[in-house]
Amino acid sequence: QKEVEQNSGPLSVPEGAIASLNCTYSDRGSQSFFWYRQYSGKSPELIMFIYSNGDKEDGRFTAQLNKASQYVSLLIRDSQPSDSATYLCASSGTGGFKTIFGAGTRLFVKA
Amino acid sequence: NAGVTQTPKFRILKIGQSMTLQCAQDMNHNYMYWYRQDPGMGLKLIYYSVGAGITDKGEVPNGYNVSRSTTEDFPLRLELAAPSQTSVYFCASSYLTEGTEAFFGQGTRLTVV
Repeated sequence: QKEVEQNSGPLSVPEGAIASLNCTYSDRGSQSFFWYRQYSGKSPELIMFIYSNGDKEDGRFTAQLNKASQYVSLLIRDSQPSDSATYLCASSGTGGFKTIFGAGTRLFVKA
Repeated sequence: NAGVTQTPKFRILKIGQSMTLQCAQDMNHNYMYWYRQDPGMGLKLIYYSVGAGITDKGEVPNGYNVSRSTTEDFPLRLELAAPSQTSVYFCASSYLTEGTEAFFGQGTRLTVV
């Protein structure tokens, strides 16, 4: 069973701090990795995707991938209350058709 | 720009009833997907399609059927509804599958009683 695992949280950080969200995956054939943000009662929206080992930065968000450790993370700098949501990690293997989602980590940013 | 449109938003079904969840996208995406999300859980892929006339099973296809007669539409059929099918259903589409954004519909909250 191919799996993506995340700590369900909740992760609570003060406003302005760095939030660190982590994810591990079991399928070594996974090629692409995604972070989606989902507000309560809403649909997921893509924040970032990453293919290659290392870091990828986009504004306040940095995705990190370590394929040897099968580990993906998302850092959110200068966290804002509006970042409070559930963050879903997902991976897809060769062909990418069957993207596997983790259960999500709930993040609370305290003002 | 409508994106991905799902109907209905909410539905209550009795055990054994059938229904079709509608999904339409206006972005000319080839790839479309149906997911279900149980409380506190991630998304489970039910079925997907890589183009009109082509569909395949995902992780949890039992109890569901799909068809894809056009690029735009990808309906999900529930036959003989069961309480285990109580969930939030999301339809999504993407231009490609790897490394490109999947656009999600607003979801359908289904309760089977």
